[in-house]
Amino acid sequence: EVQLVESGGGLVQPGGSLRLSCAASGFTFSSYAMTWVRQAPGKGLEWVSGVSGSGAITYYADSMKGRFAISRDNSKDTLYLQMNSLRAEDTAIYYCAKSAAYSFGSDYFDPWGQGTLVTVSS
Amino acid sequence: SYVVTQPPSVSVAPGKTARITCGGNNLGTKSVHWLQQKPGQAPVLVIFYDSDRPSGIPERFSGSHSGNTATLTISRVESGDEADYYCQVWDSSSDHVVFGGGTKLTVL
Repeated sequence: EVQLVESGGGLVQPGGSLRLSCAASGFTFSSYAMTWVRQAPGKGLEWVSGVSGSGAITYYADSMKGRFAISRDNSKDTLYLQMNSLRAEDTAIYYCAKSAAYSFGSDYFDPWGQGTLVTVSS
Repeated sequence: SYVVTQPPSVSVAPGKTARITCGGNNLGTKSVHWLQQKPGQAPVLVIFYDSDRPSGIPERFSGSHSGNTATLTISRVESGDEADYYCQVWDSSSDHVVFGGGTKLTVL
């Protein structure tokens, strides 16, 4: 069974940093692109970032570019999201999801993890 | 940036058919995927590549795509179908994933 488990969320002050992790199991992790998607309280889904199967090619939403960094360790079957210069508007549940293909792009995401909550507040 | 538009809400009586639309400029050139999200849960894929259905998703769920509008159709709606539904596309001009704003399906 494919499983994705996020961790690393919590309360952080504005301007602070946090690293999220997504542990994958049940599939050949290195063969699939991965993504992070967030959802602010009471709001819709917002795409954050994506990475190819090798980790060599990354993509970012405009509002996260330069502040967030996606990476993966295929030897540990784990996806990461390093978040710096956090703002109150970054408060959200962060989900990781598996793409249907090695390259990131027009493919669907399935399954999704249960998410980890990040709260940015003083 | 590319925008896809969904109606904020759709209401339907049990046993009837619900249709949720997703519209966007040149949407006909893109593949559309649909996600279901129930309160407090992670999103679940219900339709991919416009009209394909993942295993485990009831046949009551179907997708279609004509011109600049994609439609998620739920037949014989049940109370358990109450959820938020999102369409998802890839904007190749910006290399961005784009989600619609979501549609809240209410079963009357």
